[in-house]
Amino acid sequence: GDSVTQMEGPVTLSEEAFLTINCTYTATGYPSLFWYVQYPGEGLQLLLKATKADDKGSNKGFEATYRKETTSFHLEKGSVQVSDSAVYFCALSDRNQAGTALIFGKGTTLSVSS
Amino acid sequence: DTEVTQTPKHLVMGMTNKKSLKCEQHMGHRAMYWYKQKAKKPPELMFVYSYEKLSINESVPSRFSPECPNSSLLNLHLHALQPEDSALYLCASSQVGSESYNEQFFGPGTRLTVL
Repeated sequence: GDSVTQMEGPVTLSEEAFLTINCTYTATGYPSLFWYVQYPGEGLQLLLKATKADDKGSNKGFEATYRKETTSFHLEKGSVQVSDSAVYFCALSDRNQAGTALIFGKGTTLSVSS
Repeated sequence: DTEVTQTPKHLVMGMTNKKSLKCEQHMGHRAMYWYKQKAKKPPELMFVYSYEKLSINESVPSRFSPECPNSSLLNLHLHALQPEDSALYLCASSQVGSESYNEQFFGPGTRLTVL
């Protein structure tokens, strides 16, 4: 079945450091790919998405590119802030199956210190 | 309005109580979801309603009973829960159709504690 693998955390960075969180997936067909962020004590917020190969999703300085050849969707940010400390989930969905579960990775905890 | 709201934010209940969680969205989405999230884990799907009809039940115990009174509202009725049911319960919604890409919008969740 479809699955998502994220790099193990926690990731600890200093403010203004470069961030990469690796995400690879296994899927039949052509999934949609998402990054969600969960701040402490809150629900999930959609951070960015990509719906086809070579699409780049971007939001709030975060970027991720849908790489079909490497089945990857790595999250990057050039300069992290303390306020970026959160748990980040990579997720996929069968784009033709609206109304079905998102398949999540295990999540990566990011901690940014000043 | 691009928001999914959930009430209550926190709920503490005994194992013999009956309570309900509520979720509301006004984005015109016709699919609504309940997920359960344990600490330090990703969300796990419980139920999906599509066009106000239950379309997916992920073998959830009958002590959880979902209800979708209309296209904007989703309830989760709780009865005779166990302490291991303590978790964050998340509601989500999405468009239905091939152009939706199943992009799901989540609410802030209800933090449930069962004593």
